Amino acid sequence: GQSLEQPSEVTAVEGAIVQINCTYQTSGFYGLSWYQQHDGGAPTFLSYNALDGLEETGRFSSFLSRSDSYGYLLLQELQMKDSASYFCAVVSGNTGKLIFGQGTTLQVKP
Amino acid sequence: DTEVTQTPKHLVMGMTNKKSLKCEQHMGHRAMYWYKQKAKKPPELMFVYSYEKLSINESVPSRFSPECPNSSLLNLHLHALQPEDSALYLCASSQDPSTDTQYFGPGTRLTVL
Repeated sequence: GQSLEQPSEVTAVEGAIVQINCTYQTSGFYGLSWYQQHDGGAPTFLSYNALDGLEETGRFSSFLSRSDSYGYLLLQELQMKDSASYFCAVVSGNTGKLIFGQGTTLQVKP
Repeated sequence: DTEVTQTPKHLVMGMTNKKSLKCEQHMGHRAMYWYKQKAKKPPELMFVYSYEKLSINESVPSRFSPECPNSSLLNLHLHALQPEDSALYLCASSQDPSTDTQYFGPGTRLTVL
């Protein structure tokens, strides 16, 4: 089967750094994506890692280790607006099928 | 323009109604998707259209009927739905089926009475 594991909830304070981990078990792995979704909103693409290593985009960074089937999303200088659900997802094969983890709810406190 | 639009934003329908959800993108993307999302859950893939052909149907009940009239448009026809079908229906598109980035529309919040 195919599955992705990520923590259900994370709480942090404004200005802090938080890391959301994701482990996966899939066939036909192409890469690991991260999406952000605010309450009532649609998922928004944040990042994609196809190769091992760290990808940085502003305050957000994403890391992948293919040998460990593991990745993480790192959020720095947390802001209140970062409170949202964060999903890791893998593209399974070349069919476009995106398989999501259960999501991590991030709560940023003042 | 990286926008996927969906109409309507909200829809309330009875179990005997027939309605359609619409999705449009003008990014030249050749893959389009329908997802269903329940509260506090991840999106679940329903259908994938690749180059205007249905390529994946995730064993979705026949009361949901997708249609791709052209490369920019995707419809989801609804008939004889059940209350448990109430959910957020998301449309997404990507450059092609193997592309990592899917762009999501704002969704249609569907309530079945």
